[in-house]
Amino acid sequence: EEQLVESGGGSVQPGGSLRLSCAASGFTFNNYAMTWVRQAPGKGPEWVSSISANGGSTYHADSVKGRFKVSRDNSKNTLFLQMNNLRGDDTATYYCAKISTRLVTPGGVFDNWGQGTLVSVSS
Amino acid sequence: QSALTQPRSVSGSPGQSVTISCTGTNNDVGGYNYVSWFQHLPGKAPKLMIYDVTKRPSGVPDRFSGSKSGNTASLTISGLQSEDEADYFCFSYAATYTWVFGGGTKLTVL
Repeated sequence: EEQLVESGGGSVQPGGSLRLSCAASGFTFNNYAMTWVRQAPGKGPEWVSSISANGGSTYHADSVKGRFKVSRDNSKNTLFLQMNNLRGDDTATYYCAKISTRLVTPGGVFDNWGQGTLVSVSS
Repeated sequence: QSALTQPRSVSGSPGQSVTISCTGTNNDVGGYNYVSWFQHLPGKAPKLMIYDVTKRPSGVPDRFSGSKSGNTASLTISGLQSEDEADYFCFSYAATYTWVFGGGTKLTVL
């Protein structure tokens, strides 16, 4: 059974940093692109970042560009999201999801999701 | 404010059908056949219900169906069951490697 488990969330002050992890199991991790999606309290989800299966291509939403960086360690079946210079509007539950393709493509389907990890940015 | 517009809530009685709309623009829903829907229960992992506008992943009951007309996609749930009560979100590819989401619709089974 495919499983994704996020970790690394917590409370942090504005300007601080956090690194989220997403541990994958039940599928061949290095065959699939991955993505991060977040959902702020009471709001709809927002796409954050995506990365190709080999890590060679990454994409970030304008709202996080220059502050967040997605990466992966295929030897450890783990996806990461390094978040720097955090702001209050970054407060959200962050979900990782598997994409159905090796490359990040328009037709890639976000077909399996984790339960999320909560990030709270407040002074 | 989410890029895609969904009704905040819909409701129906067991056995009835409900339809949830998802309205975007020519730059997302109207421009690509890459609309997906997922079901989300609080504290649980979101579950993909529909992808590529009309396709159902393995294991999703055929009571769930998707469609699109112009800039509006729709999710229809027929033969409502109590277990269908959840939040439903749509999302779409929106060009230049970005994806946009709807604000979500809370389905209540009366």
